[in-house]
Amino acid sequence: NAGVTQTPKFQVLKTGQSMTLQCAQDMNHNSMYWYRQDPGMGLRLIYYSASEGTTDKGEVPNGYNVSRLNKREFSLRLESAAPSQTSVYFCASSDRLIEPLRREQFFGPGTRLTVL
Amino acid sequence: GESVGLHLPTLSVQEGDNSIINCAYSNSASDYFIWYKQESGKGPQFIIDIRSNMDKRQGQRVTVLLNKTVKHLSLQIAATQPGDSAVYFCADFSGAGSYQLTFGKGTKLSVIP
Repeated sequence: NAGVTQTPKFQVLKTGQSMTLQCAQDMNHNSMYWYRQDPGMGLRLIYYSASEGTTDKGEVPNGYNVSRLNKREFSLRLESAAPSQTSVYFCASSDRLIEPLRREQFFGPGTRLTVL
Repeated sequence: GESVGLHLPTLSVQEGDNSIINCAYSNSASDYFIWYKQESGKGPQFIIDIRSNMDKRQGQRVTVLLNKTVKHLSLQIAATQPGDSAVYFCADFSGAGSYQLTFGKGTKLSVIP
């Protein structure tokens, strides 16, 4: 199993450009998440999808949109990138249904995004 | 607002010594806590978890202690090795059914050979 995979690994954008970060998991997990991590900070939740067909805002959703394409894939879109969105983006997945009290999230390797 | 935070941003220990990383949380509704390890350039990796109905849990070379009275977590790493050098985050869920995992800012552990 590859676990959680993310593409691209690195990206440089100019202010105002758009792009989509891709995430896929092969663990048959129901829930998927997008986080951003800024220097010296912990991870902050942008959006999550509790199950296929649903998405909800997290702590810092402004400037982002998401799509839960199917059970495996969850994408994050920046419609008009801003320098404040320079960050490392992590996708994660978890499966609450098998063991509801254990909500461990498995993380991908991250996408390093720079907005000039 | 309520948040999970850490007492110390950096910790240096000698190889072979024990390490203790501390974490304070403020959400009294938190029912589940996780410690993650993040190596440079990688995503966070699960180390150990603990539920709010427990006060101690042991893994391989790691122990997590939970003190709900003072809302404090600690991660103890026995016989610290160079491979333990990383940033360690505590994180919690704000109650049963919550999907929102709140992370602390992290403690950087450096192991001196």
